[in-house]
Amino acid sequence: DGGITQSPKYLFRKEGQNVTLSCEQNLNHDAMYWYRQDPGQGLRLIYYSQIVNDFQKGDIAEGYSVSREKKESFPLTVTSAQKNPTAFYLCASSLGGVQDTQYFGPGTRLTVL
Amino acid sequence: GDSVTQMEGPVTLSEEAFLTINCTYTATGYPSLFWYVQYPGEGLQLLLKATKADDKGSNKGFEATYRKETTSFHLEKGSVQVSDSAVYFCAPGSNYKLTFGKGTLLTVNP
Repeated sequence: DGGITQSPKYLFRKEGQNVTLSCEQNLNHDAMYWYRQDPGQGLRLIYYSQIVNDFQKGDIAEGYSVSREKKESFPLTVTSAQKNPTAFYLCASSLGGVQDTQYFGPGTRLTVL
Repeated sequence: GDSVTQMEGPVTLSEEAFLTINCTYTATGYPSLFWYVQYPGEGLQLLLKATKADDKGSNKGFEATYRKETTSFHLEKGSVQVSDSAVYFCAPGSNYKLTFGKGTLLTVNP
């Protein structure tokens, strides 16, 4: 079955540590996205990538980094510079057209202790 | 940039009641319009979409019509079920990005 996988589902880290969230898709989609979801604030775009080896900052990129070395993978690193990293992180992908539907993974809940 | 105003929740209805969740947007150009649904602890699922003015998206009894003149995309369902309890997000899409509303929590009681 085609889809998007995110791992792990729950992640705990100590303050000051970097952590990497995994996102893999086998839909053969060109574009991939990372969103952050906080209670009552909807989803906010962190980074997106329209093609391999290229990515752009979204609305809240500070304290995050990404790479896009393979079409199917778009890992997100939450660095120690991110002041309030506890949140639900969602990865999505789309074919890549301007108005294509985005398909979402199940999410990773990150908690900073 | 794009923005969206979505009806504040939570919305609580009895089973078989009529549902409307209002959504208005501002966007540059001519966006596609989406409704997504999120069940507790899960990612978002596409509920329906419309890509041009006067198009009606529909799925699982839900409908929404692309109203360009009023920049609106209100979600409706004639008879809700307990299984429809979830958070609903309106999102215009343009320039390769979606802009999400804050979401509307719907609870349907038996």
